[in-house]
Amino acid sequence: DGGITQSPKYLFRKEGQNVTLSCEQNLNHDAMYWYRQDPGQGLRLIYYSQIVNDFQKGDIAEGYSVSREKKESFPLTVTSAQKNPTAFYLCASIDREDGELFFGEGSRLTVL
Amino acid sequence: KNEVEQSPQNLTAQEGEFITINCSYSVGISALHWLQQHPGGGIVSLFMLSSGKKKHGRLIATINIQEKHSSLHITASHPRDSAVYICAVWRLDGQFYFGTGTSLTVIP
Repeated sequence: DGGITQSPKYLFRKEGQNVTLSCEQNLNHDAMYWYRQDPGQGLRLIYYSQIVNDFQKGDIAEGYSVSREKKESFPLTVTSAQKNPTAFYLCASIDREDGELFFGEGSRLTVL
Repeated sequence: KNEVEQSPQNLTAQEGEFITINCSYSVGISALHWLQQHPGGGIVSLFMLSSGKKKHGRLIATINIQEKHSSLHITASHPRDSAVYICAVWRLDGQFYFGTGTSLTVIP
């Protein structure tokens, strides 16, 4: 079955370390997104990519970086510059033909 | 002001009750999604609407484009419906705005 796979599900990081969250989709979608979810807030857009080798900053891109070298993959790096990285991170993709929206299971990052 | 407002924020119902969750938005949209998030965190799309009404089992979603309002109804609620329900609008520029979610608890 087609879907989005995020890994790891849980991740612990010491302050000052960079970590990379994986997002892989086999849906053949061009558009992929990274969101951050904090308690009591709606999902906030970190980065998005409409096509391979192109990506755009979202509303809260500072302290994060991404790459889109392959259509299937859109990894997110949380850098040491991100002041408050402890959060739940969700990767999503959309079929722009019919608007069908898919999410991964999420990655919960905790900074110790 | 958020572009997407949901109400109520929290909802507790007895099993079997009819439930309504509301969503209002202030931007032009291509479509509106109702999403369900269970305690594990993963999100699934329940409905995508651009007009009218859709039904899937005990779930019904409606949208009024002129009034910029959508509702999600659950008939004969069940404890397994307990989850967070999120309204998401797909903007004309291809981006999404999300409501903060409605946390539903259905008590047996």
